[in-house]
Amino acid sequence: RKEVEQDPGPFNVPEGATVAFNCTYSNSASQSFFWYRQDCRKEPKLLMSVYSSGNEDGRFTAQLNRASQYISLLIRDSKLSDSATYLCVVKDPTGGFKTIFGAGTRLFVKA
Amino acid sequence: NAGVTQTPKFRVLKTGQSMTLLCAQDMNHEYMYWYRQDPGMGLRLIHYSVGEGTTAKGEVPDGYNVSRLKKQNFLLGLESAAPSQTSVYFCASTENTGELFFGEGSRLTVL
Repeated sequence: RKEVEQDPGPFNVPEGATVAFNCTYSNSASQSFFWYRQDCRKEPKLLMSVYSSGNEDGRFTAQLNRASQYISLLIRDSKLSDSATYLCVVKDPTGGFKTIFGAGTRLFVKA
Repeated sequence: NAGVTQTPKFRVLKTGQSMTLLCAQDMNHEYMYWYRQDPGMGLRLIHYSVGEGTTAKGEVPDGYNVSRLKKQNFLLGLESAAPSQTSVYFCASTENTGELFFGEGSRLTVL
């Protein structure tokens, strides 16, 4: 089992749609979780951190379910500019500061 | 703000040639990382460093060497390039906040 798993997609949605991505992680001791966004042929950039209580940033909502070991990202009112690959990221809890990436979920938002 | 700078951005090598990728960061970060990204795959950690003078192996270290002689620089070396090392290489740094700051990537082709 991979340490961090994501549905690769692609997700094809119309503008204005709501779309959700899930990500599962294997190490129950993991403490820190993030969503990164990567545009085609560009470097990944932090979209948002994921807190135990869940957090929201505009149209984006991230949630953590420790019991089931998954995190989710919800995008409301999708825009064309949301088209990208979304990477689930988990910080290795063993202290080596390794950050483990999922393979990413591709999102295409169409007019 | 320069952030994280990688050089070169593009390189074509012949099998057996050697080269060094340079990563420089101006944020005074302790932790630096080298990842490779291949089509359809997430970022895989090659080597990382938790401070000047220290390095450690990641998931896929074979065929690569690194050095961190200065805090701001992290070098990735290929002693004898192989076609399997054709990839996009990303350098990243962090100050243990969890957020990784990436360079723009270095696209390497080994013929």
